[in-house]
Amino acid sequence: GQNIDQPTEMTATEGAIVQINCTYQTSGFNGLFWYQQHAGEAPTFLSYNVLDGLEEKGRFSSFLSRSKGYSYLLLKELQMKDSASYLCAVVDSNYQLIWGAGTKLIIKP
Amino acid sequence: DAMVIQNPRYQVTQFGKPVTLSCSQTLNHNVMYWYQQKSSQAPKLLFHYYDKDFNNEADTPDNFQSRRPNTSFCFLDIRSPGLGDAAMYLCATSRDGQRVTEAFFGQGTRLTVV
Repeated sequence: GQNIDQPTEMTATEGAIVQINCTYQTSGFNGLFWYQQHAGEAPTFLSYNVLDGLEEKGRFSSFLSRSKGYSYLLLKELQMKDSASYLCAVVDSNYQLIWGAGTKLIIKP
Repeated sequence: DAMVIQNPRYQVTQFGKPVTLSCSQTLNHNVMYWYQQKSSQAPKLLFHYYDKDFNNEADTPDNFQSRRPNTSFCFLDIRSPGLGDAAMYLCATSRDGQRVTEAFFGQGTRLTVV
């Protein structure tokens, strides 16, 4: 079967750095998305990785290792507004999105 | 400006009473999706349209139906809502289902069944 694993919940301090991991086992791979979802709202796009390595976009970076079936989202200089769920989603060989359950990130002052 | 619009944001319906959720898009995207998301769970794909071609997920209950009368609009019909159908329903679009493009989501409709 297809499987995406992320930690259920993480806590970090305002101004710090946090890394959210995602491991996957899917039938084929056509890229990996990270989405941010605030409570009661729709997911919004953060990043897309299809090649190995690190993609940096402002305070957020996303890393991919296809051989390890692994990605992480790195958030720097955490702000209170970063409190949200972070969803990892993999595009399989049929171009279907396979979603993880999300990691709830709690930021403390 | 909102590009994927869902109405209403909150919907309360009675057990067994049919309900329709709507979604419209101004992006002119070929693909439209309906997802069901329950608290702290991954979004679950119910069905999607590639243009007018309808694709139903194997485990989507018959209680759920969809219509896409034109490119811009898509509807989710729940024929006889049960308590287990209470969830957030997310509509999303993407430019092309045959290539990888990001999905754009509407604000969602939170359905309560009483």
